[in-house]
Amino acid sequence: QVQLVESGGGLLKPGGSLRLSCEASGFTFSDYHMSWIRQVPGKGLEWISYIGRSGSPIHLADSLKGRFTVSRDNSKNLVFLHLNSLRVEDTAVYFCARGGKVVPASFDTWGQGTLVTVSS
Amino acid sequence: DIQMTQFPTSLSASVGDRVTITCRASQTISKYLSWYQQRPGKAPSLLIFGASSLYTGVPSRFSGSGSGTDFSLTINGLQPEDFATYYCQQSLSIPPTFGGGTKVEI
Repeated sequence: QVQLVESGGGLLKPGGSLRLSCEASGFTFSDYHMSWIRQVPGKGLEWISYIGRSGSPIHLADSLKGRFTVSRDNSKNLVFLHLNSLRVEDTAVYFCARGGKVVPASFDTWGQGTLVTVSS
Repeated sequence: DIQMTQFPTSLSASVGDRVTITCRASQTISKYLSWYQQRPGKAPSLLIFGASSLYTGVPSRFSGSGSGTDFSLTINGLQPEDFATYYCQQSLSIPPTFGGGTKVEI
């Protein structure tokens, strides 16, 4: 069945770096735009990034430009989120999500999320 | 960025009730509005896209309406598994933005 599985979260110190992965299965990965969305525990949802089907276009939340980047490997059905210069306020559960075919910015499939904790 | 405002932020209801949640966009978004359900400890799941289109597999007791700036999600005949937090989200422009959520409690 259609599935997204994130991995790579963990406990980091401020200033650290991390790469999150999201592995897709059950659908033709290269046919879909992908996004990352995060959620501070107990809070709402914040969209982070979007990557087009072939790796472009790429869009990032303005507040995260310069620290986060996104990439994908269609040969391995993977999308990545690269987090640099991490801050305490980046602590959140990070979800990858598949964009809809009709409306790419409507997210029809979500992974279970991976927790990133930034603390000294 | 387009701001999305949901109300109420929480509500109490009983099994079998009809519940309506409202979402307002800071500028017109046509029908580029999605609704998600998030149960505790789980990822969000898509309920409605295009303001009123039911996503595959979503029970018909869920319905969405609206266009422009004002939207609503209605649950007809609340079921025990519907007690969750609901989010609206505009999908017209980058960045996609979410409402603050509405928690539906028993």
